[in-house]
Amino acid sequence: RKEVEQDPGPFNVPEGATVAFNCTYSNSASQSFFWYRQDCRKEPKLLMSVYSSGNEDGRFTAQLNRASQYISLLIRDSKLSDSATYLCAVNSPNDYKLSFGAGTTVTVRA
Amino acid sequence: GAGVSQSPSNKVTEKGKDVELRCDPISGHTALYWYRQSLGQGLEFLIYFQGNSAPDKSGLPSDRFSAERTGGSVSTLTIQRTQQEDSAVYLCASSLGQNPHEKLFFGSGTQLSVL
Repeated sequence: RKEVEQDPGPFNVPEGATVAFNCTYSNSASQSFFWYRQDCRKEPKLLMSVYSSGNEDGRFTAQLNRASQYISLLIRDSKLSDSATYLCAVNSPNDYKLSFGAGTTVTVRA
Repeated sequence: GAGVSQSPSNKVTEKGKDVELRCDPISGHTALYWYRQSLGQGLEFLIYFQGNSAPDKSGLPSDRFSAERTGGSVSTLTIQRTQQEDSAVYLCASSLGQNPHEKLFFGSGTQLSVL
């Protein structure tokens, strides 16, 4: 089983829609969780960290469910500029390595 | 300020040749990572440096791959006797390195194509 798994999508949504997707992780002792955004042929950039209590940054909401070992990302009021691949990343306990999922592709159409 | 710099941005080589990929991290960042990403795939961890030492080399796919870091700064990833399956984007990232929860800053990568 992979350390981090994501639904690859693609999620095709109209502008203004809400889209949400999950990422599951295999190691129950994982401590740190992140969402990165990667545009086509570009490097990943940190979108947001995911905290135990859940957190929101503008139109983006991240949640952590430790019992079921997944994190989620919800995008409200989607914009064309939200079209990208969203990578989740999970920190392995006791080391600095971030393990990444293969990404979920979101396409927002006009 | 300057971000993570990688060179070359593109490298085309023939099977069997050696290649060197360079990464210049953000000044002051003690942690440096190499990942690779094949088309449509996630990021595959290769190696991690803290300062000049590499406590985790677990991701290097074979003994043809090696990496070093000098002066706590620039890192070089070397692939010997390249194979077609080595074709991928090689991404370098750095962080302050104080703890595992820190943000990684990525370079724009080296696109390696082995013919």
